[in-house]
Amino acid sequence: QKEVEQDPGPLSVPEGAIVSLNCTYSNSAFQYFMWYRQYSRKGPELLMYTYSSGNKEDGRFTAQVDKSSKYISLFIRDSQPSDSATYLCAMSGAEGAQKLVFGQGTRLTINP
Amino acid sequence: KAGVTQTPRYLIKTRGQQVTLSCSPISGHRSVSWYQQTPGQGLQFLFEYFSETQRNKGNFPGRFSGRQFSNSRSEMNVSTLELGDSALYLCASSLDWGAAGYTFGSGTRLTVV
Repeated sequence: QKEVEQDPGPLSVPEGAIVSLNCTYSNSAFQYFMWYRQYSRKGPELLMYTYSSGNKEDGRFTAQVDKSSKYISLFIRDSQPSDSATYLCAMSGAEGAQKLVFGQGTRLTINP
Repeated sequence: KAGVTQTPRYLIKTRGQQVTLSCSPISGHRSVSWYQQTPGQGLQFLFEYFSETQRNKGNFPGRFSGRQFSNSRSEMNVSTLELGDSALYLCASSLDWGAAGYTFGSGTRLTVV
């Protein structure tokens, strides 16, 4: 069993829809939680970063962490075709935000 | 502000050869990490360097090695290449060791034939 599980999709939604992306994890030592977006032929780009449990909002993006359930989510409001990409969750432990453990990534397509 | 620069972008090597990949971090960033990305295994941590010292290492064989220079630039080397080493190799930099907010480069696509 992988430390971080993420549904690879693909996920296809109409423009303007609310998108929900999720990851579960098994390592209770994880304390840093991140979401990256990766476009084709590009490296991952950091979208959201959360330390420990709670919610964080940045524009159309909201990240939630529930450490009791070992479950993290990313919500995208008013989705745009430009949001079409692969979304990767990543997390790391007490030693800091290095040595990230990534989920498999969810391929998302927003249809105009 | 220049991003993380990785060279070369594409590389084709023959099984058994060795390869060196280069990474120039964002100016002022002192921590450099390397990751391997494949369709089957996803993104996997290789190692991290800070102040020319390897601080963390992933579960990869000894054929994978790296180093960091005094200007924070980093190289990784893979010796005795195997077909399974074909992957996108990504370098990421951050301001400090353990600091969140890694910025990734666009990667080097290595194909082993």
